[in-house]
Amino acid sequence: AQSVTQLDSHVSVSEGTPVLLRCNYSSSYSPSLFWYVQHPNKGLQLLLKYTSAATLVKGINGFEAEFKKSETSFHLTKPSAHMSDAAEYFCVVRGLDDKIIFGKGTRLHILP
Amino acid sequence: GAVVSQHPSWVICKSGTSVKIECRSLDFQATTMFWYRQFPKQSLMLMATSNEGSKATYEQGVEKDKFLINHASLTLSTLTVTSAHPEDSSFYICSATLTGTDNSPLHFGNGTRLTVT
Repeated sequence: AQSVTQLDSHVSVSEGTPVLLRCNYSSSYSPSLFWYVQHPNKGLQLLLKYTSAATLVKGINGFEAEFKKSETSFHLTKPSAHMSDAAEYFCVVRGLDDKIIFGKGTRLHILP
Repeated sequence: GAVVSQHPSWVICKSGTSVKIECRSLDFQATTMFWYRQFPKQSLMLMATSNEGSKATYEQGVEKDKFLINHASLTLSTLTVTSAHPEDSSFYICSATLTGTDNSPLHFGNGTRLTVT
């Protein structure tokens, strides 16, 4: 069975500083991993996905994530936060049965 | 890119009535669609997996007689909340995916805010 753990429910950073949102997964095989962003009362937008082709994945809006099998992690980063990045972020794992497991989410706050 | 349209975006209904929410994949065929429920400031909870032409698979604790799912075509799945009660008020989100590729991302609708009075 798969699971995903987002280690922080809230993260606050100042505008212009780096962002790190942590995600650890558990899977009995090489998983498919995704990061999604959700703005208030909106659906989810795909930021990036891990496809096993490359461990460092670049996504939209300057976000990227690195798959580290030895650490079972897939942390999301961005070099410089922007006010528009304030949102809820979900780490997601997809199993062979197509079942999607969401992390509990991390609320990113950007301080001016 | 792949687009999923969810309708309506919000609905207010009286207790005891039924509400239907539609989820359409606009530019691809989705043999599998998922329905989620999201409580305020919480993550998405998978309610059921909908496969075209077959019965939906419900997650444990989800009442299949209350949340009726129909996936009649490769581009449309519907969720009907029957005899709605205030505790059914929530944000419902559908998603669709291309099956056969396990790294294919989910594409989400914009969600439906249901308020039962």
